[in-house]
Amino acid sequence: AQRVTQPEKLLSVFKGAPVELKCNYSYSGSPELFWYVQYSRQRLQLLLRHISRESIKGFTADLNKGETSFHLKKPFAQEEDSAMYYCALSFSGTYKYIFGTGTRLKVLA
Amino acid sequence: DADVTQTPRNRITKTGKRIMLECSQTKGHDRMYWYRQDPGLGLRLIYYSFDVKDINKGEISDGYSVSRQAQAKFSLSLESAIPNQTALYFCATSDFRFAGELFFGEGSRLTVL
Repeated sequence: AQRVTQPEKLLSVFKGAPVELKCNYSYSGSPELFWYVQYSRQRLQLLLRHISRESIKGFTADLNKGETSFHLKKPFAQEEDSAMYYCALSFSGTYKYIFGTGTRLKVLA
Repeated sequence: DADVTQTPRNRITKTGKRIMLECSQTKGHDRMYWYRQDPGLGLRLIYYSFDVKDINKGEISDGYSVSRQAQAKFSLSLESAIPNQTALYFCATSDFRFAGELFFGEGSRLTVL
């Protein structure tokens, strides 16, 4: 069955420290992977998608098909990065999306 | 601004009552979705629709039904609410022009007593 796993419910780091939010998936086809973010009192919104290979707000994520992972990374965390982060998987061409359980990132001053 | 609007934003109801959550969008998107969010469980897909005549079950459709009244409206119904349906419900839309991006509403918090 298709599944997205985010092993950490909570990740606390100090400002300026590197951040890595883990995401693993199980899917036998060609996946499309996304990271969504939910800041306090704001709507859930797209942060980045693997096909774009872009950096948004200093965050990057690389799809590793061998390890079936799509970890989100940022070299220097900022306090404004504190939020709930969800990894999501879309089955190629289906426009059906499933989400992981989410990781709350807290960046401490 | 083009938007995804959910009503009601908060609702408290009793076990056994019928409840409807409504979603409307002004984005002109074809695809609409209903998710529920529970602490520790993330977002789980309830139903999704690719156009007015296309309705599909998601991961957790039992106890729920939906209606796609128009391209812009997608309603979620709980025919007989039960306490474990207490959750935060999100509507979302997507369109092929935006390469897989989901656009979310603000959420409807439902409490079933």
